[in-house]
Amino acid sequence: SSELTQDPAVSVALGQTVRITCQGDSLRSYYASWYQQKPGQAPVLVIYGKNNRPSGIPDRFSGSSSGNTASLTITGAQAEDEADYYCNSRDSSGNSVVFGGGTKLTVL
Amino acid sequence: QVTLRESGPALVKPTQTLTLTCTFSGFSLSTSGMCVSWIRQPPGKALEWLALIDWDDDKYYSTSLKTRLTISKDTSKNQVVLTMTNMDPVDTATYYCARYRTYSSSSEFDYWGQGTLVTVSS
Repeated sequence: SSELTQDPAVSVALGQTVRITCQGDSLRSYYASWYQQKPGQAPVLVIYGKNNRPSGIPDRFSGSSSGNTASLTITGAQAEDEADYYCNSRDSSGNSVVFGGGTKLTVL
Repeated sequence: QVTLRESGPALVKPTQTLTLTCTFSGFSLSTSGMCVSWIRQPPGKALEWLALIDWDDDKYYSTSLKTRLTISKDTSKNQVVLTMTNMDPVDTATYYCARYRTYSSSSEFDYWGQGTLVTVSS
């Protein structure tokens, strides 16, 4: 399968914890990476590999994976975390790349 | 410091061929594990992966668009070029180039260009 499925929208109260999930068969073989995109801006890598954060990404962002599901967790969500979040991985063949449909995170 | 910058026409007519250039710096596309890829995003919609070229000059394409896409690189100029034939208004999107690092089971787009908006209209 070459699809990654995300919930279209998720909301979280300020300071609370939120989990954004991504499902797909390829996630049994490959790690997902996660991107944050704010309006009018290019995506920014926030999580890659098993659970790695690029320099400059706050440690409230973390990643995990189980079976065919990858998760991005924001512990203590801040107003500036309101954005679209996309997961990405290779497809099951390993010869193609696929993005999830994106999750719009609202911080209440 | 890794940077990528997209360049190309802002407006193309239906049926025309789009040519986009990604000019990058701060890394070598000859280094094992390094790739450059194109991704697009129609207004208000999700990211869509288009094509990728790796350090070994292997090329990979979106299944749905592969008949229309060609990706190539000029390592000496630090450029990657994407052509897309037979443009249609539904191809109106912001087109991004991004560096893609790949390992055995992990790979990610760690640096992105700012994107270039391409509008397809007569």
